[in-house]
Amino acid sequence: SQKIEQNSEALNIQEGKTATLTCNYTNYSPAYLQWYRQDPGRGPVFLLLIRENEKEKRKERLKVTFDTTLKQSLFHITASQPADSATYLCALDPHRGYALNFGKGTSLLVTP
Amino acid sequence: KAGVTQTPRYLIKTRGQQVTLSCSPISGHRSVSWYQQTPGQGLQFLFEYFSETQRNKGNFPGRFSGRQFSNSRSEMNVSTLELGDSALYLCASSKEGSSGNTIYFGEGSWLTVV
Repeated sequence: SQKIEQNSEALNIQEGKTATLTCNYTNYSPAYLQWYRQDPGRGPVFLLLIRENEKEKRKERLKVTFDTTLKQSLFHITASQPADSATYLCALDPHRGYALNFGKGTSLLVTP
Repeated sequence: KAGVTQTPRYLIKTRGQQVTLSCSPISGHRSVSWYQQTPGQGLQFLFEYFSETQRNKGNFPGRFSGRQFSNSRSEMNVSTLELGDSALYLCASSKEGSSGNTIYFGEGSWLTVV
């Protein structure tokens, strides 16, 4: 069956360090992968999309890598700030259609 | 521009009742999709509509239904509510659908079934 796995344990890091979150998937051949941020009680907010033919994508302090051989995406936040504290979700298109399957998310806590 | 608007924001229903949730997409967006979020299962896809047609449906029972109107606004309905239907229901809109496009989520409707 199709699975998307994100580290269920919260990631605690110190302000200024780089946070790295992992998204592993099985039984998918995604055309792209997306990352979202979700704050408590709010809807997810789109951050980055990376396509299957792209190895890396950057946006300001964010960097995403996509390894279709390893079936893994890494999400990096450099120079992390307490305001980056949130849950981060990865999402895949299961049928190259009009739905997204989400991982359960990893909670990031950045402490001053 | 205004974001995705969902109403109501919070509601409490009794088992066996039905509920209708509403979603107004971003102006110009023709695709509306619905997701259920629970602590145990995470975000799960319910269905997606584009120009009033359902294009994709998730693995949920027939008690969950939806529709889209000509102005792209969408509603979802859950009949014969069960305790397990308590969740955050999220609507998302995009111009053409999630395939490689950015989708924008609303703040959700919190449903509690007692």
